[in-house]
Amino acid sequence: AQSVTQLGSHVSVSEGALVLLRCNYSSSVPPYLFWYVQYPNQGLQLLLKYTTGATLVKGINGFEAEFKKSETSFHLTKPSAHMSDAAEYFCAVSDNTGNQFYFGTGTSLTVIP
Amino acid sequence: ETGVTQSPTHLIKTRGQQVTLRCSSQSGHNTVSWYQQALGQGPQFIFQYYREEENGRGNFPPRFSGLQFPNYSSELNVNALELDDSALYLCASSFLDQPQHFGDGTRLSIL
Repeated sequence: AQSVTQLGSHVSVSEGALVLLRCNYSSSVPPYLFWYVQYPNQGLQLLLKYTTGATLVKGINGFEAEFKKSETSFHLTKPSAHMSDAAEYFCAVSDNTGNQFYFGTGTSLTVIP
Repeated sequence: ETGVTQSPTHLIKTRGQQVTLRCSSQSGHNTVSWYQQALGQGPQFIFQYYREEENGRGNFPPRFSGLQFPNYSSELNVNALELDDSALYLCASSFLDQPQHFGDGTRLSIL
């Protein structure tokens, strides 16, 4: 069985500050891990994914995430927040078949000018 | 390339009615998944279709059913609508183990 926990349903950062969104997962098999972003009234857009190999994954818009097996974590970071980063962020886990994704409850990111 | 498109964008139904939602997969994708996203929640997996066969199902009752067509487009059907079915319904398509690409969803409101 697989599940995702996103710590912090709301995160606020100042423009230019570090963004850190937390994600912990539970999986009985080696997981595939994903971060998606959702803007109001839109679907989900893939930011980045981890399947195998390098544990530090770089995605679009300057985001990156590190897979830490020992901590069962896949936290999302960005060195400098931009106003356009304000959105809902979802962490997701699947097995290596990709047959079923389990999403977290999401973290709403607010960027303060 | 053509992305995932869903129709309609918004829909209002009453309890007990039936609804059909439609999804056109991204070009080259042969797998489609459907999700229900209640307000303020993450998407919940309903089911997945691969080559016109159901290929996995989440914890949803049988009144949620689906179809995938030879061109890989898909339908989600919900019978006997309940108030709790009000949600954003998302379709996502993929190919092999590549990440899913999502449509913008259909917002279903049940009165």
